[in-house]
Amino acid sequence: AQTVTQSQPEMSVQEAETVTLSCTYDTSESDYYLFWYKQPPSRQMILVIRQEAYKQQNATENRFSVNFQKAAKSFSLKISDSQLGDAAMYFCAYRSSGAGSYQLTFGKGTKLSVIP
Amino acid sequence: AAGVIQSPRHLIKEKRETATLKCYPIPRHDTVYWYQQGPGQDPQFLISFYEKMQSDKGSIPDRFSAQQFSDYHSELNMSSLELGDSALYFCASSLRGETTGELFFGEGSRLTVL
Repeated sequence: AQTVTQSQPEMSVQEAETVTLSCTYDTSESDYYLFWYKQPPSRQMILVIRQEAYKQQNATENRFSVNFQKAAKSFSLKISDSQLGDAAMYFCAYRSSGAGSYQLTFGKGTKLSVIP
Repeated sequence: AAGVIQSPRHLIKEKRETATLKCYPIPRHDTVYWYQQGPGQDPQFLISFYEKMQSDKGSIPDRFSAQQFSDYHSELNMSSLELGDSALYFCASSLRGETTGELFFGEGSRLTVL
């Protein structure tokens, strides 16, 4: 079974600064998806960014980018120019690829605080 | 665009009562997933359905059951409720074979057991 580890229960960043959230995972599969989800106090799960394992290029979505190291099984999220609205719980998640209906496996989450 | 709809959004029950949560997936999506997220916890996978058949099973208690109907909506039935069942229950949907791999989440149903 796949496991996802987020080693930072809490992080803080000054507004307008950059922060990196860590995520490692364990799998024997060669093709899969990785995701970062944001969960603000409203508790809705919001997709931040997605990475396909077969793609070497790191995904980027505006101020959000990832550092995907497949060999090291590492998938960190970098948030640039942090804003107050970025304060939330961030979950790293893994999903097998292929034809099946595979569920997401989540890490324990990192609570990000943004300091004005 | 239509999103995943969950109802009710909030539900309060007494111990030993029964609760039913409903999930309406995005149109054309054929797979539904249920997750349970306790306070301060990560979402835990409960069960999934593909084309109205159970696809995979996670940490779903025997007191819980679920099904997917002909219109693809799904219901999670929870009986003999316990205090520990208080949680946010997410439903998500996807289209099998779709290349982004993304699951689309509803806003969740918050169950409080007193």
